[in-house]
Amino acid sequence: RKEVEQDPGPFNVPEGATVAFNCTYSNSASQSFFWYRQDCRKEPKLLMSVYSSGNEDGRFTAQLNRASQYISLLIRDSKLSDSATYLCVVNNGTASKLTFGTGTRLQVTL
Amino acid sequence: DAMVIQNPRYQVTQFGKPVTLSCSQTLNHNVMYWYQQKSSQAPKLLFHYYDKDFNNEADTPDNFQSRRPNTSFCFLDIRSPGLGDAAMYLCATSRWGRHNEQFFGPGTRLTVL
Repeated sequence: RKEVEQDPGPFNVPEGATVAFNCTYSNSASQSFFWYRQDCRKEPKLLMSVYSSGNEDGRFTAQLNRASQYISLLIRDSKLSDSATYLCVVNNGTASKLTFGTGTRLQVTL
Repeated sequence: DAMVIQNPRYQVTQFGKPVTLSCSQTLNHNVMYWYQQKSSQAPKLLFHYYDKDFNNEADTPDNFQSRRPNTSFCFLDIRSPGLGDAAMYLCATSRWGRHNEQFFGPGTRLTVL
């Protein structure tokens, strides 16, 4: 089983749609969780950290379910500029080391 | 602006010809990382430095070496590049700790001829 698993997509959605990505992780000792965004041929950039209580940043909402070892990202009112690959990232229990999922590709269309 | 800088952005080398990639940071972070990322794959950690302490991943080939002469700079040396080493190489930095995000440089895309 992979340490961090994501549906690779692609998710093709029209502008204005709501889309949700899911991610599962295998290491129950993981303590911090992130969503990164990666544009084609660019570096990953932090989108948001994921807190136990769930957190929201504008159109983006992240949730964590520790019991099920599951993380989600919800994007509301999708924009063309949201087209990218979204990487689920988990601290593997060892200080300062992160494990990346392979990413979910989102394509927002007119 | 505080940032992570990588040079060069694109590097072409010949099979077996040593190559060095560089990374510098103005964030004053004590941890620096090198990742290899191939197309449609997750970034794969090669090694990281906590201050001067070098931490190699178990599956990182001996062909890959690293140096960190000071807090700001870190180098990735590929001693004898093979065709399979063609990839994007990403440098990242963070503060030490489980809850700290990593900040990435723009990457160096390596082509091996």
